[in-house]
Amino acid sequence: DAMVIQNPRYQVTQFGKPVTLSCSQTLNHNVMYWYQQKSSQAPKLLFHYYDKDFNNEADTPDNFQSRRPNTSFCFLDIRSPGLGDAAMYLCATAEKSTYEQYFGPGTRLTVT
Amino acid sequence: AQTVTQSQPEMSVQEAETVTLSCTYDTSESDYYLFWYKQPPSRQMILVIRQEAYKQQNATENRFSVNFQKAAKSFSLKISDSQLGDAAMYFCAYSGGGADGLTFGKGTHLIIQP
Repeated sequence: DAMVIQNPRYQVTQFGKPVTLSCSQTLNHNVMYWYQQKSSQAPKLLFHYYDKDFNNEADTPDNFQSRRPNTSFCFLDIRSPGLGDAAMYLCATAEKSTYEQYFGPGTRLTVT
Repeated sequence: AQTVTQSQPEMSVQEAETVTLSCTYDTSESDYYLFWYKQPPSRQMILVIRQEAYKQQNATENRFSVNFQKAAKSFSLKISDSQLGDAAMYFCAYSGGGADGLTFGKGTHLIIQP
């Protein structure tokens, strides 16, 4: 089945130690998104790629970066994780005719 | 900026009954999209139903239907014949269209009583 895959599902990192979260898709969608969802809160958009074009939300901290080396993969890099960055990180994709978003299962990040 | 408001943090319904989840939004756009997403305890977000603002007809997907009132900026979700598997957090979301990301409400936790 076509899907959005996130690895790892659970990630533990130390305060200040860089971490990378991975998302891949078999849907061949043009657009990929990263959302941050803190406990008991709504998901919040961090940034998205339309093909290779990167679009950053105005209030996304500089600590968060993203890479999309090809259509299938997108990475979220957190350069110096703080305790406040502990959250579920959701990847989503959309294709350009409907822009319906399909979500992966998320990566739960713990910062110790 | 667009905002989405879900005023019911938690709702409870008996199995097989009908429940309505409320959502209001604010936008200055005339063309946009509204969605209801379901997030079960496993946490994968699943699209339940979508509505294009230019369509007057309310969207329906099996037991799920919406009441879209554009002038009132209201977008409620009705779940008929509630099932235990409907228990989840439900998020109302707005998109301006194109590749815009979604703006989510804070969610409604739906409990199904057997």
